[in-house]
Amino acid sequence: DQQVKQNSPSLSVQEGRISILNCDYTNSMFDYFLWYKKYPAEGPTFLISISSIKDKNEDGRFTVFLNKSAKHLSLHIVPSQPGDSAVYFCAASAKRFSGSARQLTFGSGTQLTVLP
Amino acid sequence: EAQVTQNPRYLITVTGKKLTVTCSQNMNHEYMSWYRQDPGLGLRQIYYSMNVEATDKGDVPEGYKVSRKEKRNFPLILESPSPNQTSLYFCASSRQGVETQYFGPGTRLLVL
Repeated sequence: DQQVKQNSPSLSVQEGRISILNCDYTNSMFDYFLWYKKYPAEGPTFLISISSIKDKNEDGRFTVFLNKSAKHLSLHIVPSQPGDSAVYFCAASAKRFSGSARQLTFGSGTQLTVLP
Repeated sequence: EAQVTQNPRYLITVTGKKLTVTCSQNMNHEYMSWYRQDPGLGLRQIYYSMNVEATDKGDVPEGYKVSRKEKRNFPLILESPSPNQTSLYFCASSRQGVETQYFGPGTRLLVL
């Protein structure tokens, strides 16, 4: 049972437009969320994160929104650029027990293609 | 340059032939982890280590072993690989208690 779901395997967007990538989670213990970007033949790289005490976090062209009641988060990229074409993974973290490392649970990823 | 390195990057082997994938980080991170990526399943954690000599199972540990004798190294061992372990493997590291993990470039493994 996947605790973090990305229901859209792929998304195509025109350059300059907004890209919206969605992620749903089921575990109410998750309290920290991250987005990673992955290019072919490379490892995932951290993009942006949000704590459950916030509902929005912005970093340049990237904004993450968190709706805790719906257990839903989204990544907005504005404006989209061809270099943003990559696989985007949503990840969530819950502290398993006091003093432990924070574990990440990943979604299955969404392939974003930004068309010139 | 801060980085996580993995070797080899590509590996083709046969069922039952023991192999080791190395992982090394130069950031003095306490936490290290191994993931496998499969189509439609995202990244699933195999094993993790909170520090030297402290390792624990992740979500899919069957068929794998790890060791953490030094802080910088975290090798993944497949004692008797099987075709269902054909996958893309990533090593990652982070400071203790910090969610942001740094990933290696990946190792693509094919078990025949």
